[in-house]
Amino acid sequence: DTEVTQTPKHLVMGMTNKKSLKCEQHMGHRAMYWYKQKAKKPPELMFVYSYEKLSINESVPSRFSPECPNSSLLNLHLHALQPEDSALYLCASSQGFEQYFGPGTRLTVT
Amino acid sequence: GEDVEQSLFLSVREGDSSVINCTYTDSSSTYLYWYKQEPGAGLQLLTYIFSNMDMKQDQRLTVLLNKKDKHLSLRIADTQTGDSAIYFCAGNSGNTPLVFGKGTRLSVIA
Repeated sequence: DTEVTQTPKHLVMGMTNKKSLKCEQHMGHRAMYWYKQKAKKPPELMFVYSYEKLSINESVPSRFSPECPNSSLLNLHLHALQPEDSALYLCASSQGFEQYFGPGTRLTVT
Repeated sequence: GEDVEQSLFLSVREGDSSVINCTYTDSSSTYLYWYKQEPGAGLQLLTYIFSNMDMKQDQRLTVLLNKKDKHLSLRIADTQTGDSAIYFCAGNSGNTPLVFGKGTRLSVIA
C-alpha cells in the first residue's frame, strides 16, 4: 500500500476564514511534506517534517501553519489567506528516497 | 542549486513510442524520478533510477540515464490515450527535497 490520503478534496474559503487541510499515511514513513502547486507549474516545497519535527520551512508566510500531531498525520492550518494562495496543495511522504504523493486539496480563496 | 529542464509539450499518435527528455545540472543527485500527473490529480511515482545505473526497464517504461551529459529520458512504448498527462522529472539525494522540472505535457492522438 502506497497511499497518501488528503481531505478535503476541494475547499473554498474567504480571506477571513480559518481552515485546515489534512493528510494521512499508514506506510510508516517518517518524513512528510507539504507542496503548493499552481496551474501548469511544478510543485513547490513548503514544509518538511522528519520524525514529527519541522526540518524545512521554505520561507512560507505565517498565514500557513503546519502541524504534525503524530507520525501518520500532517495538517496545514490556514488563516487570513490571499487570493494568490489559491492552488493545489499536495502532501507527500517518504521513508528513504521514494516520495509518494496524495491526490491534493484544490483550494480557492475568495 | 539544482536546475532541471524539460521540453514543455509532446504530441504522439496512439501506438507510437513517446520519449520525454530531461536535463539536470547537479551531478550529485543520487536518485532521479519520473512522476505522472493527470488533470486535477496528485503526482504518481512512475519509476526511478539510481545515478549508478544507465538504464531501467519496467513494462512499457524505459528510463535512460546519461551521466556524462546529465540527461535523463523516459520512453513509453505503445503509447495509449490514458498516458496523456504531465510528466515531471525530479531528482534528489536520499531524503533531501525533490527538485522538479517544469513538466512535459504529453498529448496522445487517437
